[in-house]
Amino acid sequence: AQTVTQSQPEMSVQEAETVTLSCTYDTSESDYYLFWYKQPPSRQMILVIRQEAYKQQNATENRFSVNFQKAAKSFSLKISDSQLGDAAMYFCAYRGSGNTGKLIFGQGTTLQVKP
Amino acid sequence: NAGVTQTPKFRILKIGQSMTLQCTQDMNHNYMYWYRQDPGMGLKLIYYSVGAGITDKGEVPNGYNVSRSTTEDFPLRLELAAPSQTSVYFCASSSRQGQPQHFGDGTRLSIL
Repeated sequence: AQTVTQSQPEMSVQEAETVTLSCTYDTSESDYYLFWYKQPPSRQMILVIRQEAYKQQNATENRFSVNFQKAAKSFSLKISDSQLGDAAMYFCAYRGSGNTGKLIFGQGTTLQVKP
Repeated sequence: NAGVTQTPKFRILKIGQSMTLQCTQDMNHNYMYWYRQDPGMGLKLIYYSVGAGITDKGEVPNGYNVSRSTTEDFPLRLELAAPSQTSVYFCASSSRQGQPQHFGDGTRLSIL
């Protein structure tokens, strides 16, 4: 069975600085998808970024980028120029290639942004 | 565009009571999901559906039931509420394989 592990329960970053959140996963599949979701105190689940495993190029969305290391089964999220609004819990999620589309979530990392 | 709508947003139940959490989406998505999120934890899959009339169990299905009679609606039923079911429940949908899931705003449920 696939698993997703986020080893950093809490992280903090100074406003305008850069922070990297870690995520590792375990799978025997070769084709899959990885996601980072943001959950602010409002409880909404907001998609931050998506990566297809067959793409070697790391995904980027404005200040958010990933470092996808398929052989190491690692999928870290880098937030550049951190803003106060980035403070939230961040979840890494895995979706296999089967036709169910189920997501497997990590435990989450709470990010604090200091002014 | 409403997206995924969940009702109610908050609910308190007594042990042994029953209730249905409603979820509807207006994006014509085939795939729908129910997750629960316990405090400080990630989301765990309860049930999912790949289309109208088709449902299957996820990781933590005990104590819950679902139905999918239409593409739009995917209600989650708690028959005999237990304190262990105190959680935040999220409904989500997606269009097809590989596409990200769109989440509702969640229902906070307390069983006392």
